[in-house]
Amino acid sequence: GAVVSQHPSWVICKSGTSVKIECRSLDFQATTMFWYRQFPKQSLMLMATSNEGSKATYEQGVEKDKFLINHASLTLSTLTVTSAHPEDSSFYICSARDGDRYNEQFFGPGTRLTVL
Amino acid sequence: AQSVSQHNHHVILSEAASLELGCNYSYGGTVNLFWYVQYPGQHLQLLLKYFSGDPLVKGIKGFEAEFIKSKFSFNLRKPSVQWSDTAEYFCAVNGGSQGNLIFGKGTKLSVKP
Repeated sequence: GAVVSQHPSWVICKSGTSVKIECRSLDFQATTMFWYRQFPKQSLMLMATSNEGSKATYEQGVEKDKFLINHASLTLSTLTVTSAHPEDSSFYICSARDGDRYNEQFFGPGTRLTVL
Repeated sequence: AQSVSQHNHHVILSEAASLELGCNYSYGGTVNLFWYVQYPGQHLQLLLKYFSGDPLVKGIKGFEAEFIKSKFSFNLRKPSVQWSDTAEYFCAVNGGSQGNLIFGKGTKLSVKP
């Protein structure tokens, strides 16, 4: 149990385009999902927290208009990178928290975004 | 602010050597502590976790970690490493304001066959 999927696993896009990344909890209801970003050879940094049915909470320095987050259901959150630029190239990882297992988070496999 | 420190950036060991990776955290409240592993090209996998109870926690693949509250530490250990343990190891604590995990910078482990 506690499986989180992400789609796509990798994407290459041209500068200026928008990219949507999906995060799904497959066998549990995720009241909260987190979006992290991992630069090469660095740790995971929290970008935003997404709660089902409410607006996402963004960390300081993360542009909410650039990284649009929607948590429309208890099993799906999406991150849209709008007008992507090469500096947005990174590894984006989501995690989901089960409402019944509040202290644990389950991570998705990540999405590698490359912006040309 | 809460933080997690991993002292070793890169550790190189030969097979069968013993491993200990350091992790210290700064968080005044009740902590839940985690060690994750990220194999090359793969996603994060949970190695072990500590919520409460016995401070010596056993995880998968022969790993264990000891929570020492007085030292704010949660070091990862394995008595005998294998080449397949080559990976990046992240220590994390659930100290974020949103309930998120705060990660250390990671320790890269390279095991020579």
